[in-house]
Amino acid sequence: RKEVEQDPGPFNVPEGATVAFNCTYSNSASQSFFWYRQDCRKEPKLLMSVYSSGNEDGRFTAQLNRASQYISLLIRDSKLSDSATYLCVVIGYQKVTFGTGTKLQVIP
Amino acid sequence: DTGVSQDPRHKITKRGQNVTFRCDPISEHNRLYWYRQTLGQGPEFLTYFQNEAQLEKSRLLSDRFSAERPKGSFSTLEIQRTEQGDSAMYLCASSPWTSGSRTTYEQYFGPGTRLTVT
Repeated sequence: RKEVEQDPGPFNVPEGATVAFNCTYSNSASQSFFWYRQDCRKEPKLLMSVYSSGNEDGRFTAQLNRASQYISLLIRDSKLSDSATYLCVVIGYQKVTFGTGTKLQVIP
Repeated sequence: DTGVSQDPRHKITKRGQNVTFRCDPISEHNRLYWYRQTLGQGPEFLTYFQNEAQLEKSRLLSDRFSAERPKGSFSTLEIQRTEQGDSAMYLCASSPWTSGSRTTYEQYFGPGTRLTVT
């Protein structure tokens, strides 16, 4: 089993739709979790941290489920500009692991 | 611009040559990370520094790879005797490590150095 797994997609969704991605991790001792956004041929940009209590930033909501060892990202009211690859990051002791990313394409 | 910077942005080299990349982190950040990313993959962790100390190295970092951060500010990543399999984007990220009294692992990436080995 990979340490961090994401569905590569692509997820093709119409503008205005709600879309959710999951990311599973294998190390139950993992400490910190993040979602990054990466546009084609650009560097990853921090989207949001993921807390046990869940957190929301505008149209974006991130959740952590420690019992089932996954994190999720929900995007509401998708915009064309949301088209990108979404990377989850799992951080444990001295170890940083990125998922391979989920590609989102928002269609007009 | 106070973000992470990397130099050069692109590098084309012939197999067997040595290359060196530079990363300048955000000035108040004391953690610095190096990653390698190939098409369709997420960034793969290579190594990281806390100040000038190299705290962790991935098994991906073969003997041909070496990284330094001599004064705890900028860092260099050197690849000796490059191979075609080294062709990738090399990303640098920095992290403040602490924000107030809280430990934070948020990382901020530079634009990367794209290496092509011919």
